[in-house]
Amino acid sequence: EDKVVQSPLSLVVHEGDTVTLNCSYEVTNFRSLLWYKQEKKAPTFLFMLTSSGIEKKSGRLSSILDKKELFSILNITATQTGDSAVYLCAGDSNYQLIWGAGTKLIIKP
Amino acid sequence: EAEVAQSPRYKITEKSQAVAFWCDPISGHATLYWYRQILGQGPELLVQFQDESVVDDSQLPKDRFSAERLKGVDSTLKIQPAELGDSAMYLCASSQPSRDTGELFFGEGSRLTVL
Repeated sequence: EDKVVQSPLSLVVHEGDTVTLNCSYEVTNFRSLLWYKQEKKAPTFLFMLTSSGIEKKSGRLSSILDKKELFSILNITATQTGDSAVYLCAGDSNYQLIWGAGTKLIIKP
Repeated sequence: EAEVAQSPRYKITEKSQAVAFWCDPISGHATLYWYRQILGQGPELLVQFQDESVVDDSQLPKDRFSAERLKGVDSTLKIQPAELGDSAMYLCASSQPSRDTGELFFGEGSRLTVL
């Protein structure tokens, strides 16, 4: 059965800290790994990763995929209170997304 | 900026009542998804449409849930009768046909509370 597991489930850090969120997957017909940020409403797209070892970067956020070990990480440097959200990852199994439960990130001022 | 429109934003109903949610995807997006998200969990796919056709409804509780996208544009998700366990956020998302970018565009969601 396809599954995506995220860790930790929740994380509390202080503003300015760097965090690493983890996503492991077992997805048949794997096409890509996606990261989304969900604040109090709908998820918004962050990254799509298809190739191992190639870092994707957007400002203070970056992500990388390891297709051999079947995991991805999302890094956030110099965290700000606006980074507080639930971060979701999803594995694309032949256009069907398998979602993890998310990591709830709280940034304290 | 184009958005996925959903309504209502919030719905409170009593169990055994009927509820309906509406979604208007981004223009030109052939693929439309309805997800259910329970607090603290990831989204769970209920139904996926490609134009007006159902691609996947394997997780849709068909005894009480129905979904349609008659003209291949907007869509309605109905629950009848609602049960306490249906309380959740119902998210609609759309994507372009090839979805090479992998990006789903989500609406604001409809939060359902069943009393």
